[in-house]
Amino acid sequence: DAGITQSPRHKVTETGTPVTLRCHQTENHRYMYWYRQDPGHGLRLIHYSYGVKDTDKGEVSDGYSVSRSKTEDFLLTLESATSSQTSVYFCAIFGDSNYGYTFGSGTRLTVV
Amino acid sequence: KNQVEQSPQSLIILEGKNCTLQCNYTVSPFSNLRWYKQDTGRGPVSLTIMTFSENTKSNGRYTATLDADTKQSSLHITASQLSDSASYICVVSAKQGGKLIFGQGTELSVKP
Repeated sequence: DAGITQSPRHKVTETGTPVTLRCHQTENHRYMYWYRQDPGHGLRLIHYSYGVKDTDKGEVSDGYSVSRSKTEDFLLTLESATSSQTSVYFCAIFGDSNYGYTFGSGTRLTVV
Repeated sequence: KNQVEQSPQSLIILEGKNCTLQCNYTVSPFSNLRWYKQDTGRGPVSLTIMTFSENTKSNGRYTATLDADTKQSSLHITASQLSDSASYICVVSAKQGGKLIFGQGTELSVKP
């Protein structure tokens, strides 16, 4: 997706290991978001950022932390991965009311 | 509680036929409603966005309607194509730049 990339695209990790997912944008947008998508649920907000070093929790933040040291990068960390964190993770950026939200292509994380 | 409900959960149609997807919401105060298309393995892509005062918005073969009084929206797809096979997600924003509430999506399959 133009202007926003996620890495890695796929990852398999073991229970109890730390995992970091990266979201990179080239649009210089202030707002960035991390969502997870699971069968039977709509996308659910994990954490979001409204500027460098400014972050806040979403509705499903337990077990996750984030960092934003630069405008272009928003990192999502699972400190100790659990099987319930197996999911597809999407990053999104928000420009303005007309530009709207742009989503990355997602990271499929499997915790075994 | 802010909720977005979509119907049907899944739909199969023949190529060239029309179809209509439904979205009911209980989000307040309402800011805007978006329809997204999500192809398998990809992030959601915006199709339309409507504010409180807009009743209809078109994007090619996609036409979205909004009835703010009954809190209902529909997405009509005309002359369906195989490439329309995807999940269609209704997303309501509670306020300008505020939290997004996602529906669970309608899985559309267009068959030749």
